[in-house]
Amino acid sequence: DQQVKQNSPSLSVQEGRISILNCDYTNSMFDYFLWYKKYPAEGPTFLISISSIKDKNEDGRFTVFLNKSAKHLSLHIVPSQPGDSAVYFCAASAHPPPIIIQGAQKLVFGQGTRLTINP
Amino acid sequence: NAGVTQTPKFQVLKTGQSMTLQCAQDMNHNSMYWYRQDPGMGLRLIYYSASEGTTDKGEVPNGYNVSRLNKREFSLRLESAAPSQTSVYFCASSGRSLFGTGVRFVDIQYFGAGTRLSVL
Repeated sequence: DQQVKQNSPSLSVQEGRISILNCDYTNSMFDYFLWYKKYPAEGPTFLISISSIKDKNEDGRFTVFLNKSAKHLSLHIVPSQPGDSAVYFCAASAHPPPIIIQGAQKLVFGQGTRLTINP
Repeated sequence: NAGVTQTPKFQVLKTGQSMTLQCAQDMNHNSMYWYRQDPGMGLRLIYYSASEGTTDKGEVPNGYNVSRLNKREFSLRLESAAPSQTSVYFCASSGRSLFGTGVRFVDIQYFGAGTRLSVL
């Protein structure tokens, strides 16, 4: 049972336009969400995160939106650049470690979406 | 500035052989993880270690064992490799980091470059 789903295996966007990557989840216990970016032959790298107490988080060209009622999140990249071409994974966890005590964070990943930015 | 280092990068095994994947981090993180990535499946958690001296099963632990050797190192062992264990394996460690603008802490997992394993 796939608890985190990215239904689009691939997405192609023109340079300078907006890229929108989508992610759905089924587990209502998830309350912390992250996006990772992965280049070939490298490990995933953290991009942006959002807690369930917020519905939007912005960091430069990247914005993540969370719709808890629909159990849906999306990543917006504006403007898209050729270096953004990569595989993007969304991930979710329940109850992130409390602020004072750091502990393991069990992430559930989606299948990934391959984003290609065309010049 | 190594981060998370995995060895080896590539390995080919025959069915029934054993091997250990090594992982080391230099970020003084308490928690470490092993994932496998298969086509169309995303990353799935095999085992994790919340702190030195503890290990716990993840989503797909069957056929694997782990050892948290010390705070830096977390190894994954395949005792009797099977073709179903052909995959790309990623090690990660996590800690709280200041990220982006302003004073904002997030929990981030940092990943190694992966080990591509084929079992024939």
